[in-house]
Amino acid sequence: DGGITQSPKYLFRKEGQNVTLSCEQNLNHDAMYWYRQDPGQGLRLIYYSQIVNDFQKGDIAEGYSVSREKKESFPLTVTSAQKNPTAFYLCASSIALAGIIEQYFGPGTRLTVT
Amino acid sequence: AQSVAQPEDQVNVAEGNPLTVKCTYSVSGNPYLFWYVQYPNRGLQFLLKYITGDNLVKGSYGFEAEFNKSQTSFHLKKPSALVSDSALYFCAVRDGGNSGYALNFGKGTSLLVTP
Repeated sequence: DGGITQSPKYLFRKEGQNVTLSCEQNLNHDAMYWYRQDPGQGLRLIYYSQIVNDFQKGDIAEGYSVSREKKESFPLTVTSAQKNPTAFYLCASSIALAGIIEQYFGPGTRLTVT
Repeated sequence: AQSVAQPEDQVNVAEGNPLTVKCTYSVSGNPYLFWYVQYPNRGLQFLLKYITGDNLVKGSYGFEAEFNKSQTSFHLKKPSALVSDSALYFCAVRDGGNSGYALNFGKGTSLLVTP
């Protein structure tokens, strides 16, 4: 899983509560991404960030928020507005945007909301 | 948008036999294609990528992939499967600049290698 850490590995929350998932990388990568994985649906892009203090919505950003105050950190908050938050969340990073560079993934956080 | 499709939800193969996991793509312009593997409750691990050049790309753990422009395919292959190859495999294509060059993934193919 390279130099990307996600914590916690498992997270349980009650419906209506906001929860923040941590993602830290020590690879000195500029770009960072959040994906959501659901069984049989592959991975879907939630948010991405190209540089510090800048981030953009992906395909399924509704009910989520992010920040990028430091190059190495890209936390994701799952808000109570997210209608179906139970999923496996994966953070990724890459060296450069325009380069043909593969993304490196963290180990993921499995969020269960009841 | 750039997209890939994995037509098989599951592939079963006996240990020692060759394996193929299929992927087709739909892109405008040059395709930048990737294969990743995921073990249960883990992140994705990069296997290989096609950017340009040779149509046969070699990657990690003995895997290779064949890029076929006429068939718009990028199938993952291995000459002799191992039980430890059992995992979930994702094909992906790099999206354009308006999504930060994120990856668009297929739905995944579960590979089961039996002893």
